[in-house]
Amino acid sequence: EVQLVESGGGLVQPGGSLRLSCAASGFTFSSYWMNWVRQAPGKGLEWVANIKQDGSEEHYVDSVKGRFTISRDNAKNSLYLQMNSLRAEDTAVYYCARGYRQSDSWGQGTLVTVSS
Amino acid sequence: DIVMTQSPDSLAVSLGERATINCKSSQSVLYSSNNKNYLGWYQQKPGQPPKSLIYWASTRESGVPERFSGSGSGTDFTLTISSLQAEDVAVYYCQQYYSTPYTFGQGTKLEIK
Repeated sequence: EVQLVESGGGLVQPGGSLRLSCAASGFTFSSYWMNWVRQAPGKGLEWVANIKQDGSEEHYVDSVKGRFTISRDNAKNSLYLQMNSLRAEDTAVYYCARGYRQSDSWGQGTLVTVSS
Repeated sequence: DIVMTQSPDSLAVSLGERATINCKSSQSVLYSSNNKNYLGWYQQKPGQPPKSLIYWASTRESGVPERFSGSGSGTDFTLTISSLQAEDVAVYYCQQYYSTPYTFGQGTKLEIK
């Protein structure tokens, strides 16, 4: 069974940093593109970033470029999102999702709250 | 960026009746070299992550009931639930994955009438 478990969320002040992790199991992690997708409270879904199987290619939504970095460790079956210079508008549940195009499996999400 | 617009924003349908949700993209998501529409549909129930229902605009994910179907091509797409069940109450999203950023529609909230 495919499992994606996010961690690392919490309360952070504006301008602060946070690193999210996603632990993958039940599939060959190194064979899949991976994504981060976020959802602000009571709002819709926003795709944030994705990363190629070997980490050689990454893409970001404009609103996080230069502030967020997606990375992976295939030896640890783990996906990461380093978030710097956080803003109030980054407050959301962050989901880890598998897939190059369609995301066919999702984690339960981790809540990031940016507030003073 | 490709803008995805869903209609309606909310929808109330009686049990057993048909529900139809529309999704329009600001540019075509049909890739001519393989004739595939880079468009998917997701279902999100309260307190849960999204679940993939349909990919390539019309292909159901394994295990998704046959009452769910997707159609359309180019810029106009439809998700149809042929006979609404109580467990179908959710928010439905379309997403284009033709080009990054992979944008979602704003969502359509489906309720029972």
